[in-house]
Amino acid sequence: GQNIDQPTEMTATEGAIVQINCTYQTSGFNGLFWYQQHAGEAPTFLSYNVLDGLEEKGRFSSFLSRSKGYSYLLLKELQMKDSASYLCAVTNSNYQLIWGAGTKLIIKP
Amino acid sequence: TAGITQAPTSQILAAGRSMTLRCTQDMRHNAMYWYRQDLGLGLRLIHYSNTAGTTGKGEVPDGYSVSRANTDDFPLTLASAVPSQTSVYFCASSAQGGTGELFFGEGSRLTVL
Repeated sequence: GQNIDQPTEMTATEGAIVQINCTYQTSGFNGLFWYQQHAGEAPTFLSYNVLDGLEEKGRFSSFLSRSKGYSYLLLKELQMKDSASYLCAVTNSNYQLIWGAGTKLIIKP
Repeated sequence: TAGITQAPTSQILAAGRSMTLRCTQDMRHNAMYWYRQDLGLGLRLIHYSNTAGTTGKGEVPDGYSVSRANTDDFPLTLASAVPSQTSVYFCASSAQGGTGELFFGEGSRLTVL
């Protein structure tokens, strides 16, 4: 089968750094997405990785290793507004998007 | 820019009744999707449409139907609602199918009693 694994919940402190991991087993690979979803709201796009390496976008960075089936989302200088769920999703060889259940990130002052 | 508009935002429905969730986009995206989101589960694809006039089944299509008469509209119909269809429904669109960023509507919270 195909699945995406990410931690259910993480807690971090305001101003700190947190890394949210995502591992995947899919039939082929055509890219990996990270989305942010605040409680009661729609998911919004954060990043897309299709090649190995690190993509940096402001306080957020996303890393991909295709050989390991692994990605992480790195959030720096955490702010209270970063409290949200972070969804990892992979496009497989049929261009179907497979979603993880999401990681709920709790930021404490 | 409106992006994607869903209606209704919230609805309580008696089991056995029919219901249509509306979705309209103004970005001229070819691909549109309907997902349901349940606590502890990832987004699950119900139906999709790669372009106007075509539709396809996703992971959990049973009990749902869609149509895509034009580029902008992609309604989702529950012919005879059951309590297990209680969920939050998201409509989404993409300019590039499986490799493109998804733009989501605000969601429709449906409760079937």
